[in-house]
Amino acid sequence: DIVMTQTPLSSPVTLGQPASISCRSSQSLVHSDGNTYLSWLQQRPGQPPRLLIYKISNRFSGVPDRFSGSGAGTDFTLKISRVEAEDVGVYYCTQATQFPSYTFGQGTKLEIK
Amino acid sequence: EVQLVESGGGLVQPGGSLRLSCAASGLTFSSYWMSWVRQAPGKGLEWVANIKQDGSEKYYVDSVKGRFTISRDNAKNSLYLQMNSLRAEDTAVYYCARDVVGLGLAYWGQGTLVTVSS
Repeated sequence: DIVMTQTPLSSPVTLGQPASISCRSSQSLVHSDGNTYLSWLQQRPGQPPRLLIYKISNRFSGVPDRFSGSGAGTDFTLKISRVEAEDVGVYYCTQATQFPSYTFGQGTKLEIK
Repeated sequence: EVQLVESGGGLVQPGGSLRLSCAASGLTFSSYWMSWVRQAPGKGLEWVANIKQDGSEKYYVDSVKGRFTISRDNAKNSLYLQMNSLRAEDTAVYYCARDVVGLGLAYWGQGTLVTVSS
């Protein structure tokens, strides 16, 4: 199974400042079809997860453009250009390269300083 | 608007059984793979099982194989998870989610809490 490792596990950020979360996979997430099925989910307090980014860098419907994803192979990054209060929550990276099974990172808690 | 509504959670004793349901609307249910994902209290996400559009393929995480069964009724736009031989470590919020090719787990329900305790 592919293991997903996120850093940091907790990230205190000042409102209006950028934030960055890293995700590393135990093996390459490049699928045989050439795509890389790495996604990012956001889970606000008391809410279900919500898809933010898919295939490394594509924003899902309704996701603000302050969220961006990058990376390749085994190393990926989620960036928030200017953190807003509504961004507080836990962020998870997840892989679907080994579909039909999925694995998730441990989660990174984003909180306001 | 895609809506997924889970039900059937509750308190059950170790060794007991529970059947979760997920009612889908706002989508052509029969066109999509569907998944169950769980989250233990204060913990991260764990994919549990998924099922192909016509129910012909089913996959499970190792920890639930032989105890949980995923199924669907496309005529009723519903997804199910039959959970037998429940253990304390199965205590979690269980979410149903719609798999979208290329996107992964794109839509999630609000979840239903399962508590396994004596």
